[in-house]
Amino acid sequence: DQQVKQNSPSLSVQEGRISILNCDYTNSMFDYFLWYKKYPAEGPTFLISISSIKDKNEDGRFTVFLNKSAKHLSLHIVPSQPGDSAVYFCAASVVDAGNMLTFGGGTRLMVKP
Amino acid sequence: EPEVTQTPSHQVTQMGQEVILRCVPISNHLYFYWYRQILGQKVEFLVSFYNNEISEKSEIFDDQFSVERPDGSNFTLKIRSTKLEDSAMYFCASSVRPNGGDTEAFFGQGTRLTVV
Repeated sequence: DQQVKQNSPSLSVQEGRISILNCDYTNSMFDYFLWYKKYPAEGPTFLISISSIKDKNEDGRFTVFLNKSAKHLSLHIVPSQPGDSAVYFCAASVVDAGNMLTFGGGTRLMVKP
Repeated sequence: EPEVTQTPSHQVTQMGQEVILRCVPISNHLYFYWYRQILGQKVEFLVSFYNNEISEKSEIFDDQFSVERPDGSNFTLKIRSTKLEDSAMYFCASSVRPNGGDTEAFFGQGTRLTVV
Protein backbone atom coordinates (compact mmCIF):
# COMPACT_ATOMS: atom_id res chain seq x y z
CA ASP A 1 0.00 0.00 0.00
CA GLN A 2 1.82 3.10 -1.23
CA GLN A 3 -0.77 5.80 -0.92
CA VAL A 4 1.95 8.39 -0.30
CA LYS A 5 5.25 8.07 -2.09
CA GLN A 6 8.50 9.95 -1.98
CA ASN A 7 10.45 8.62 -4.91
CA SER A 8 13.79 10.16 -4.04
CA PRO A 9 15.37 8.48 -1.02
CA SER A 10 18.06 11.14 -0.87
CA LEU A 11 18.91 14.60 -2.15
CA SER A 12 22.17 16.53 -1.94
CA VAL A 13 22.17 20.32 -2.31
CA GLN A 14 24.76 23.05 -1.94
CA GLU A 15 24.28 25.55 0.86
CA GLY A 16 22.40 28.61 -0.33
CA ARG A 17 20.70 26.82 -3.21
CA ILE A 18 17.11 25.63 -3.41
CA SER A 19 16.09 22.19 -2.15
CA ILE A 20 13.03 20.67 -3.78
CA LEU A 21 11.51 17.60 -2.17
CA ASN A 22 8.71 15.82 -3.96
CA CYS A 23 5.79 13.70 -2.87
CA ASP A 24 3.06 11.90 -4.81
CA TYR A 25 -0.17 10.45 -3.54
CA THR A 26 -2.79 8.16 -5.00
CA ASN A 27 -5.77 8.59 -2.67
CA SER A 28 -7.91 11.41 -4.07
CA MET A 29 -9.71 11.64 -0.71
CA PHE A 30 -6.65 13.19 0.94
CA ASP A 31 -7.32 16.86 1.56
CA TYR A 32 -4.68 17.91 4.05
CA PHE A 33 -0.96 17.53 3.59
CA LEU A 34 1.94 18.07 5.94
CA TRP A 35 5.71 18.02 5.86
CA TYR A 36 7.69 16.78 8.82
CA LYS A 37 11.42 16.91 9.40
CA LYS A 38 13.22 14.25 11.37
CA TYR A 39 16.68 14.15 12.87
CA PRO A 40 18.20 10.83 14.00
CA ALA A 41 16.96 9.64 17.40
CA GLU A 42 14.23 12.28 17.45
CA GLY A 43 10.56 12.30 16.59
CA PRO A 44 9.18 14.00 13.47
CA THR A 45 8.91 17.78 13.79
CA PHE A 46 6.13 19.59 11.99
CA LEU A 47 7.31 22.01 9.30
CA ILE A 48 4.45 23.20 7.15
CA SER A 49 1.06 22.09 5.93
CA ILE A 50 -1.39 22.81 3.15
CA SER A 51 -5.08 22.27 2.70
CA SER A 52 -6.40 21.00 -0.61
CA ILE A 53 -8.27 24.27 -1.13
CA LYS A 54 -4.92 26.00 -1.62
CA ASP A 55 -2.11 25.43 -4.07
CA LYS A 56 0.65 27.15 -2.15
CA ASN A 57 1.58 27.87 1.43
CA GLU A 58 4.67 29.75 2.48
CA ASP A 59 6.41 30.05 5.84
CA GLY A 60 9.77 31.75 5.82
CA ARG A 61 12.25 29.68 3.83
CA PHE A 62 9.72 26.87 3.37
CA THR A 63 7.05 26.75 0.67
CA VAL A 64 4.75 23.86 -0.08
CA PHE A 65 3.09 23.56 -3.47
CA LEU A 66 0.12 21.34 -4.15
CA ASN A 67 -0.97 20.17 -7.59
CA LYS A 68 -4.23 18.33 -7.02
CA SER A 69 -4.74 17.28 -10.62
CA ALA A 70 -1.34 15.59 -10.62
CA LYS A 71 -1.71 14.41 -7.01
CA HIS A 72 1.68 15.88 -6.33
CA LEU A 73 3.13 18.15 -3.69
CA SER A 74 6.55 19.57 -3.21
CA LEU A 75 8.49 21.31 -0.49
CA HIS A 76 10.88 24.09 -1.46
CA ILE A 77 13.56 25.24 0.93
CA VAL A 78 15.39 28.37 -0.08
CA PRO A 79 18.07 29.18 0.76
CA SER A 80 19.13 25.77 2.03
CA GLN A 81 21.26 25.67 5.16
CA PRO A 82 23.44 22.88 6.59
CA GLY A 83 21.08 22.67 9.57
CA ASP A 84 18.32 21.63 7.16
CA SER A 85 20.08 18.29 6.69
CA ALA A 86 17.56 15.71 7.93
CA VAL A 87 14.98 13.24 6.68
CA TYR A 88 11.84 14.91 5.36
CA PHE A 89 8.51 13.11 5.40
CA CYS A 90 5.36 14.15 3.63
CA ALA A 91 2.11 13.02 5.19
CA ALA A 92 -1.53 13.18 4.18
CA SER A 93 -4.86 12.89 5.88
CA VAL A 94 -8.57 13.14 5.21
CA VAL A 95 -10.11 15.92 7.27
CA ASP A 96 -13.25 14.95 9.16
CA ALA A 97 -12.80 11.29 8.28
CA GLY A 98 -10.37 10.16 10.89
CA ASN A 99 -7.21 11.28 12.49
CA MET A 100 -4.56 9.15 10.90
CA LEU A 101 -1.63 10.50 8.97
CA THR A 102 -0.34 8.43 6.07
CA PHE A 103 3.37 9.00 5.64
CA GLY A 104 5.67 8.76 2.67
CA GLY A 105 8.93 6.89 2.99
CA GLY A 106 11.04 9.99 3.52
CA THR A 107 13.79 11.80 1.64
CA ARG A 108 17.17 12.34 3.26
CA LEU A 109 18.34 15.88 2.50
CA MET A 110 22.03 16.69 2.79
CA VAL A 111 22.99 20.34 2.52
CA LYS A 112 26.69 20.73 1.87
CA PRO A 113 28.53 23.82 3.14
CA GLU B 1 7.88 25.24 24.33
CA PRO B 2 5.50 22.41 25.29
CA GLU B 3 6.46 18.99 24.04
CA VAL B 4 5.36 15.38 23.99
CA THR B 5 7.58 13.25 26.21
CA GLN B 6 8.04 9.50 25.97
CA THR B 7 9.59 7.01 28.37
CA PRO B 8 11.68 4.97 28.23
CA SER B 9 13.84 6.07 25.32
CA HIS B 10 14.93 2.47 24.76
CA GLN B 11 13.31 -0.74 25.95
CA VAL B 12 14.69 -4.22 25.48
CA THR B 13 12.31 -7.06 26.17
CA GLN B 14 12.16 -10.80 25.72
CA MET B 15 9.80 -12.24 23.15
CA GLY B 16 6.45 -13.06 24.74
CA GLN B 17 6.80 -10.46 27.47
CA GLU B 18 4.39 -7.62 28.01
CA VAL B 19 5.68 -4.10 27.51
CA ILE B 20 4.16 -0.71 28.29
CA LEU B 21 5.32 2.41 26.50
CA ARG B 22 4.50 5.67 28.19
CA CYS B 23 3.75 9.10 26.83
CA VAL B 24 2.84 12.46 28.31
CA PRO B 25 1.03 14.46 25.61
CA ILE B 26 0.95 18.24 25.52
CA SER B 27 -1.38 19.34 28.30
CA ASN B 28 -4.14 21.11 26.36
CA HIS B 29 -4.25 18.54 23.57
CA LEU B 30 -7.28 16.30 23.22
CA TYR B 31 -6.26 13.84 20.49
CA PHE B 32 -3.57 11.24 21.05
CA TYR B 33 -1.85 8.90 18.65
CA TRP B 34 0.65 6.09 18.43
CA TYR B 35 2.76 5.54 15.34
CA ARG B 36 5.65 3.18 14.76
CA GLN B 37 8.59 3.01 12.39
CA ILE B 38 10.29 -0.29 11.75
CA LEU B 39 13.93 0.27 10.83
CA GLY B 40 14.21 1.31 7.21
CA GLN B 41 10.46 1.51 6.69
CA LYS B 42 7.75 4.16 6.76
CA VAL B 43 6.20 5.75 9.79
CA GLU B 44 2.93 3.83 10.21
CA PHE B 45 -0.22 4.83 12.03
CA LEU B 46 -1.31 2.51 14.84
CA VAL B 47 -4.16 4.14 16.73
CA SER B 48 -5.84 7.41 17.61
CA PHE B 49 -7.59 8.12 20.91
CA TYR B 50 -10.07 10.80 21.85
CA ASN B 51 -12.48 11.27 24.71
CA ASN B 52 -11.21 8.12 26.45
CA GLU B 53 -11.81 5.82 23.56
CA ILE B 54 -10.14 4.63 20.38
CA SER B 55 -11.34 6.71 17.45
CA GLU B 56 -9.43 4.91 14.73
CA LYS B 57 -6.98 2.05 14.45
CA SER B 58 -4.98 0.41 11.71
CA GLU B 59 -4.78 -3.27 10.87
CA ILE B 60 -1.46 -3.37 12.68
CA PHE B 61 -3.24 -2.61 15.95
CA ASP B 62 -4.49 -6.11 16.67
CA ASP B 63 -5.60 -7.73 19.93
CA GLN B 64 -2.04 -7.72 21.23
CA PHE B 65 -2.13 -3.95 21.46
CA SER B 66 -4.09 -1.73 23.80
CA VAL B 67 -4.03 1.93 24.77
CA GLU B 68 -5.05 3.64 27.95
CA ARG B 69 -5.16 7.07 29.51
CA PRO B 70 -4.90 6.00 33.14
CA ASP B 71 -4.90 9.53 34.52
CA GLY B 72 -5.10 13.10 33.29
CA SER B 73 -1.59 13.21 31.88
CA ASN B 74 -0.30 9.82 30.72
CA PHE B 75 -1.15 7.92 27.54
CA THR B 76 0.16 4.37 27.32
CA LEU B 77 0.58 1.71 24.66
CA LYS B 78 0.66 -1.87 25.89
CA ILE B 79 1.84 -4.81 23.84
CA ARG B 80 0.60 -7.92 25.58
CA SER B 81 2.94 -10.56 24.20
CA THR B 82 5.76 -9.08 22.19
CA LYS B 83 7.00 -10.63 18.96
CA LEU B 84 10.31 -10.10 17.21
CA GLU B 85 8.54 -8.11 14.51
CA ASP B 86 7.30 -5.61 17.09
CA SER B 87 10.84 -4.23 17.24
CA ALA B 88 10.51 -0.65 16.05
CA MET B 89 10.60 2.99 17.04
CA TYR B 90 7.27 3.90 18.62
CA PHE B 91 6.17 7.51 18.45
CA CYS B 92 3.45 9.10 20.51
CA ALA B 93 1.79 12.23 19.16
CA SER B 94 -0.91 14.62 20.25
CA SER B 95 -2.93 17.42 18.71
CA VAL B 96 -5.46 20.02 19.79
CA ARG B 97 -7.90 18.96 17.11
CA PRO B 98 -7.92 16.08 14.64
CA ASN B 99 -5.28 16.24 11.93
CA GLY B 100 -6.31 18.68 9.27
CA GLY B 101 -8.00 22.04 9.43
CA ASP B 102 -4.93 24.05 10.30
CA THR B 103 -3.77 21.81 13.07
CA GLU B 104 -0.93 19.39 13.26
CA ALA B 105 0.25 16.53 15.42
CA PHE B 106 3.26 17.04 17.66
CA PHE B 107 5.45 13.98 18.06
CA GLY B 108 7.52 12.74 20.95
CA GLN B 109 11.13 11.69 20.55
CA GLY B 110 10.17 8.03 20.37
CA THR B 111 10.80 4.81 22.28
CA ARG B 112 13.02 2.27 20.60
CA LEU B 113 11.61 -1.17 21.37
CA THR B 114 13.90 -4.12 20.82
CA VAL B 115 12.41 -7.59 21.18
CA VAL B 116 14.99 -10.35 21.60
